[in-house]
Amino acid sequence: DTAVSQTPKYLVTQMGNDKSIKCEQNLGHDTMYWYKQDSKKFLKIMFSYNNKELIINETVPNRFSPKSPDKAHLNLHINSLELGDSAVYFCASSPGLAGGPDTQYFGPGTRLTVL
Amino acid sequence: GQSLEQPSEVTAVEGAIVQINCTYQTSGFYGLSWYQQHDGGAPTFLSYNALDGLEETGRFSSFLSRSDSYGYLLLQELQMKDSASYFCATGSNTDKLIFGTGTRLQVFP
Repeated sequence: DTAVSQTPKYLVTQMGNDKSIKCEQNLGHDTMYWYKQDSKKFLKIMFSYNNKELIINETVPNRFSPKSPDKAHLNLHINSLELGDSAVYFCASSPGLAGGPDTQYFGPGTRLTVL
Repeated sequence: GQSLEQPSEVTAVEGAIVQINCTYQTSGFYGLSWYQQHDGGAPTFLSYNALDGLEETGRFSSFLSRSDSYGYLLLQELQMKDSASYFCATGSNTDKLIFGTGTRLQVFP
């Protein structure tokens, strides 16, 4: 069974389009995250949710809107896509909040290419 | 602010030992984690240090010195499959992990 799953795995789209990425975890964790990994492999947190509540919004443009319908799901909607949004987006989850010793479990990633 | 520094690349041969260093500046520091990421894959957790000293997990060990804001990952008996990127990450009272810039390890036969 996949612990953290994301769809789609690849996403190629034109500038200006709107797209969504979905994430689900079956680990029973309370906290979920979105990370962006750029072409230099720099991994940066975008958002975190704990029990469906937004905990961290890391100065991400408001074109990015996360939604957590329940604590097992965290989706990411991106409006008006720009070239600079091209990256790999990882969803992750952990039992508790990120600051402590809990392991974060990452999904397989969604490679977004904006043309 | 928060920052972590790692060497960008390390190379070694099979069977060797390699150390990947990480220095950090983190307010409200809780602990240092290490993650491994193969090309095209997802980061996977390797180890966590909250206290000073060495934690050993099989061929991998991780060390932390809180007074020096420094840690390292030690990989022993290197195998080809250890070729990957390795990230240190600090946890703190900001409820988020801050990842280092990553170290690409290449293991040669």
